[in-house]
Amino acid sequence: DTAVSQTPKYLVTQMGNDKSIKCEQNLGHDTMYWYKQDSKKFLKIMFSYNNKELIINETVPNRFSPKSPDKAHLNLHINSLELGDSAVYFCASSQGTASGGRFFGPGTRLTVL
Amino acid sequence: ILNVEQSPQSLHVQEGDSTNFTCSFPSSNFYALHWYRWETAKSPEALFVMTLNGDEKKKGRISATLNTKEGYSYLYIKGSQPEDSATYLCASLSNSGYALNFGKGTSLLVTP
Repeated sequence: DTAVSQTPKYLVTQMGNDKSIKCEQNLGHDTMYWYKQDSKKFLKIMFSYNNKELIINETVPNRFSPKSPDKAHLNLHINSLELGDSAVYFCASSQGTASGGRFFGPGTRLTVL
Repeated sequence: ILNVEQSPQSLHVQEGDSTNFTCSFPSSNFYALHWYRWETAKSPEALFVMTLNGDEKKKGRISATLNTKEGYSYLYIKGSQPEDSATYLCASLSNSGYALNFGKGTSLLVTP
């Protein structure tokens, strides 16, 4: 059983489109995240979300929005895609934000043409 | 130190060699230090989470130490094997934050 799953694995789309990436975790964790792996291979936090609080990295454009229908899912919606949005996006989950190790999904490679 | 820094950037060792990497992180407002192993074409996998100064953790041939006062952690691999080849990431968490601040990683290649 996959602990943290993401779909799709690859996403190729045109500039200006709106797209979503889905994430599901079956670990019973209370916190989920979205990370972006930038061109220099850094993993940068985009959002942290649990059933109480959404925390947004202030550097993330408001074209990006997380949607959580329930504790096991945190989807990423991106509006008006730009060339610079091309990257690998990782979903992750943990039990608590402090000492809980992050369990990462397989990543979604987004290419904006 | 404002960011998490890891050294060396890459390392190539022979099978059977022991090796170690360094992670430097902000010591002020420290809460936790994480180590992850990231194999090519896979996703990062948690190795250790450490919070206490002087903490030492071990998993098989891999161990890690933590010095929160001076802001560094070492990861040791004893008797490296080709399957240890991966990028090793460390990340720190401050007590005022929610997000792990990742370093760029140390890329390890172990050849037979």
